[in-house]
Amino acid sequence: KNQVEQSPQSLIILEGKNCTLQCNYTVSPFSNLRWYKQDTGRGPVSLTIMTFSENTKSNGRYTATLDADTKQSSLHITASQLSDSASYICVVSTIYNQGGKLIFGQGTELSVKP
Amino acid sequence: EAQVTQNPRYLITVTGKKLTVTCSQNMNHEYMSWYRQDPGLGLRQIYYSMNVEVTDKGDVPEGYKVSRKEKRNFPLILESPSPNQTSLYFCASSSNSRIEQFFGPGTRLTVL
Repeated sequence: KNQVEQSPQSLIILEGKNCTLQCNYTVSPFSNLRWYKQDTGRGPVSLTIMTFSENTKSNGRYTATLDADTKQSSLHITASQLSDSASYICVVSTIYNQGGKLIFGQGTELSVKP
Repeated sequence: EAQVTQNPRYLITVTGKKLTVTCSQNMNHEYMSWYRQDPGLGLRQIYYSMNVEVTDKGDVPEGYKVSRKEKRNFPLILESPSPNQTSLYFCASSSNSRIEQFFGPGTRLTVL
């Protein structure tokens, strides 16, 4: 069964600290993996998207890694800011019906405290 | 400005009263999709459309209908809403299903 699992479910860190969010997936065939940031009550916004051949991608203070062999991804946030408080969603795309199908993780709720 | 718009943003209705949530994108995207988001369950796909006149079921299509008569619009129709359809709904679009999706602002629906 295609699944995406994220850990931890929630995380509280102090402003300025770094953190790492995890994503494990059992999706086949694999097309790409995305990380989204979702502020409360708003639509998700894409942070990174990685294909099979990419093992790291950065977007400012956000760095995503992908290990396609172990089917794991991580999102590292450097020097956290209060505005980083949000839900972070890992999404894996599989090839389906001549197109793609997205499998969503349940998200990690990050809270950055002053 | 490139965007996905949804209307209405908030809606309270009663069981059985047909409603439509509109979704429109101005990026000439071929792929559009509807999701619902519920606490503890994350985002779940309801329906998606690869192109005009092409729609397919997602993971939770029961109780919903969609149409794609033109490229920019992808309305979500609830013929007979029920309380278990109370949720936060998102529309999204992309050039194709394998790349980044742009999400709309969401529609919070309450069915009494």
